[in-house]
Amino acid sequence: DGGITQSPKYLFRKEGQNVTLSCEQNLNHDAMYWYRQDPGQGLRLIYYSQIVNDFQKGDIAEGYSVSREKKESFPLTVTSAQKNPTAFYLCASSKAQIAGGEQFFGPGTRLTVL
Amino acid sequence: AQTVTQSQPEMSVQEAETVTLSCTYDTSESDYYLFWYKQPPSRQMILVIRQEAYKQQNATENRFSVNFQKAAKSFSLKISDSQLGDAAMYFCAYRSSINAGNNRKLIWGLGTSLAVNP
Repeated sequence: DGGITQSPKYLFRKEGQNVTLSCEQNLNHDAMYWYRQDPGQGLRLIYYSQIVNDFQKGDIAEGYSVSREKKESFPLTVTSAQKNPTAFYLCASSKAQIAGGEQFFGPGTRLTVL
Repeated sequence: AQTVTQSQPEMSVQEAETVTLSCTYDTSESDYYLFWYKQPPSRQMILVIRQEAYKQQNATENRFSVNFQKAAKSFSLKISDSQLGDAAMYFCAYRSSINAGNNRKLIWGLGTSLAVNP
């Protein structure tokens, strides 16, 4: 079945470490997104990509980095510069050429800083 | 800039009853898309219903329907015959019809937590 996978489901990080969250989709979607979700704050966009080898900053990109070397993959690195990285991270994808297209979401990764 | 407001942080409904979740938005655009997403305790975000602003007819998906009032910039979600599985966070989202740059992103409300009582 087509869908989006995220790994790991739970991730623990020590302060000062960089960690990478995986996101893979087999929906043949051009567009991919990373969101951060905190209690009471809804979803906030970190980065998005409309095409391979291109990506744009969202509303809260500081302390994060991404790459888009393959259409299927959009990994997110949480760097040591991110001061408060404990949160739930959601990856999504959509058909870039359709303005009103649905965004499909992965199951999420819960990141905790120890 | 567009904004989305969900004024009800928490709601509850009795099983088999009907509940309406509110969403208002602010935009200067005439064409756009509106969405309701559901996030159950598993935290998997699922699309419930989608509305195109240029369509006057309210969208319906089984027990879920919307009341889209374009002039009032209101987009409420009605859940009929509520079931225990409907218990979740519900998010309203806006998307411009302009398919370029930052217009591509979804603008999200803060969500409404719906409890379904047996």
